[in-house]
Amino acid sequence: NAGVTQTPKFQVLKTGQSMTLQCAQDMNHEYMSWYRQDPGMGLRLIHYSVGAGITDQGEVPNGYNVSRSTTEDFPLRLLSAAPSQTSVYFCASSYSRGWDGYTFGSGTRLTVV
Amino acid sequence: DAKTTQPPSMDCAEGRAANLPCNHSTISGNEYVYWYRQIHSQGPQYIIHGLKNNETNEMASLIITEDRKSSTLILPHATLRDTAVYYCIVSYPSNTGKLIFGQGTTLQVKP
Repeated sequence: NAGVTQTPKFQVLKTGQSMTLQCAQDMNHEYMSWYRQDPGMGLRLIHYSVGAGITDQGEVPNGYNVSRSTTEDFPLRLLSAAPSQTSVYFCASSYSRGWDGYTFGSGTRLTVV
Repeated sequence: DAKTTQPPSMDCAEGRAANLPCNHSTISGNEYVYWYRQIHSQGPQYIIHGLKNNETNEMASLIITEDRKSSTLILPHATLRDTAVYYCIVSYPSNTGKLIFGQGTTLQVKP
């Protein structure tokens, strides 16, 4: 049981490049979400999913796309990277609609130059 | 979701109880209080949650006032490893991932 696995752990992109941040969980959790955390700030919700095939926007969705084709995976796509997207990205999942809390991954540290 | 107010920082002596307050005066009847912490830029870690009754688990205790407008997270015997940012979040459990994190309280446990 690996929990929530995020890859890569570190990434440097050039402005305008696209990439996909991977998130996978092996706990059969229905609910998954993506957050970003900028230096000295709390986490902000980007997108979330209540199950395979269902996604919705959070606080800061612009510039990001998500899809949920399987229960296990919830990738986050940066369409055209901008320096303002330099951040640490966390993926989280929960089994029971968040009743017993969310399990977070260890994060992806992204720098856009 | 109701908003929360937490002090930006607190200190605690190692071995003593750490009491972290949270104000959520606009909480609705079915909203729960959740606490998470984040140690040194790791992913946040779930600690505890409650609706109206006091709760205790192996990590901490949660005291919610009778009017539910505020709560206190208690770490009974703080250690240096408890140094972290602590987030108080009010949410409907069915809000399906829409946890809104604020600035949290930075707890510094000192030897």
